[in-house]
Amino acid sequence: ILNVEQSPQSLHVQEGDSTNFTCSFPSSNFYALHWYRWETAKSPEALFVMTLNGDEKKKGRISATLNTKEGYSYLYIKGSQPEDSATYLCALSNAGNMLTFGGGTRLMVKP
Amino acid sequence: NAGVTQTPKFRVLKTGQSMTLLCAQDMNHEYMYWYRQDPGMGLRLIHYSVGEGTTAKGEVPDGYNVSRLKKQNFLLGLESAAPSQTSVYFCASSNFGGGVGEQFFGPGTRLTVL
Repeated sequence: ILNVEQSPQSLHVQEGDSTNFTCSFPSSNFYALHWYRWETAKSPEALFVMTLNGDEKKKGRISATLNTKEGYSYLYIKGSQPEDSATYLCALSNAGNMLTFGGGTRLMVKP
Repeated sequence: NAGVTQTPKFRVLKTGQSMTLLCAQDMNHEYMYWYRQDPGMGLRLIHYSVGEGTTAKGEVPDGYNVSRLKKQNFLLGLESAAPSQTSVYFCASSNFGGGVGEQFFGPGTRLTVL
């Protein structure tokens, strides 16, 4: 079982602020790192799948980086909007595509 | 294209009762998964399947059984429900293995065991 830690657990920001949060893992023995976005009363939706050290992904105002050597991934949100309010999940996968999830970072963006 | 659907959406059981949760996907995905989500615990994998007729244990398989008789369906069974199985259950499917497959999640089933 892979170990995945996310910080902070929750975060309150003002609309327009940029923010970032961390997914950390003690071992690079995984196949990919996944980021999911989970809105209240909905299902988790995939944001990024990252496999290589130094990988960077971007989707609109959201981007992510992966550093397997130092054991972390950052998720960045530029110019946060109220609709960005959600729980952001990080997960590591093995060869069988089994995901081990972190506890998530709950982001609340105040208008 | 409905994606991943789960039946039922809510259920209340008494201790010792049995039930089956149904997950269906119409994306022709090979891989299917069952997770449970508990406060402060995140999503934890119960069982998964890498293809029709195959199943495997995940992180927390005890007290659950699964079957994948048809490619599009993945059933999760509780033979004798316990209060510790009160949780929200999510099904997911994926079309790629090798660790790089994006998983598509269903809407969840909220189960309460009294």
